[in-house]
Amino acid sequence: EAGVAQSPRYKIIEKRQSVAFWCNPISGHATLYWYQQILGQGPKLLIQFQNNGVVDDSQLPKDRFSAERLKGVDSTLKIQPAKLEDSAVYLCASSSTVHQFFGPGTRLTVL
Amino acid sequence: AQSVTQPDIHITVSEGASLELRCNYSYGATPYLFWYVQSPGQGLQLLLKYFSGDTLVQGIKGFEAEFKRSQSSFNLRKPSVHWSDAAEYFCAVGGNNQGGKLIFGQGTELSVKP
Repeated sequence: EAGVAQSPRYKIIEKRQSVAFWCNPISGHATLYWYQQILGQGPKLLIQFQNNGVVDDSQLPKDRFSAERLKGVDSTLKIQPAKLEDSAVYLCASSSTVHQFFGPGTRLTVL
Repeated sequence: AQSVTQPDIHITVSEGASLELRCNYSYGATPYLFWYVQSPGQGLQLLLKYFSGDTLVQGIKGFEAEFKRSQSSFNLRKPSVHWSDAAEYFCAVGGNNQGGKLIFGQGTELSVKP
């Protein structure tokens, strides 16, 4: 069974630039999550989708972050414009039950 | 407020020694509890989970954890640590009323010395 795929694995940008991350969940998983993991901290949920609808985006900084899952399968997370404090690993996870499966993450460095 | 506390930021144990990683949680309802492991550059891998029933749960790689409701704890244990266990360990709590959302602790980094 293929796992959660994410790309790119690494990204370096300058502040005020924009960046997008892509996630392809495990086939058949209705729920998709984006987490932000800052160095030295545990992952923090940014947004949760159920199929193509948003369940929880209370922790998403909506002035600069956006996410979509248009066809209820893969998803993109965008940051525009990026700030220094956005440097982190962005993890995507998917689930069909309570058990979440995580992708390898995208490490973002903002200079 | 719902939260997870992992009091130990970094632990070093000798190979072959026993291990216990602490986790305390604050959660309003019956919690679902998880332990994940993260190796450098990797995503999170589930070690074990507790939903209900037997409070001692067995996981992969020889790990186990015990749910103690009276202490709001879910400590992770392993009787004999291997060098390959060196990684970051995260405790997380969630629940049915959370829609699957997980709240993570800050993690405990485990180093194993030969």
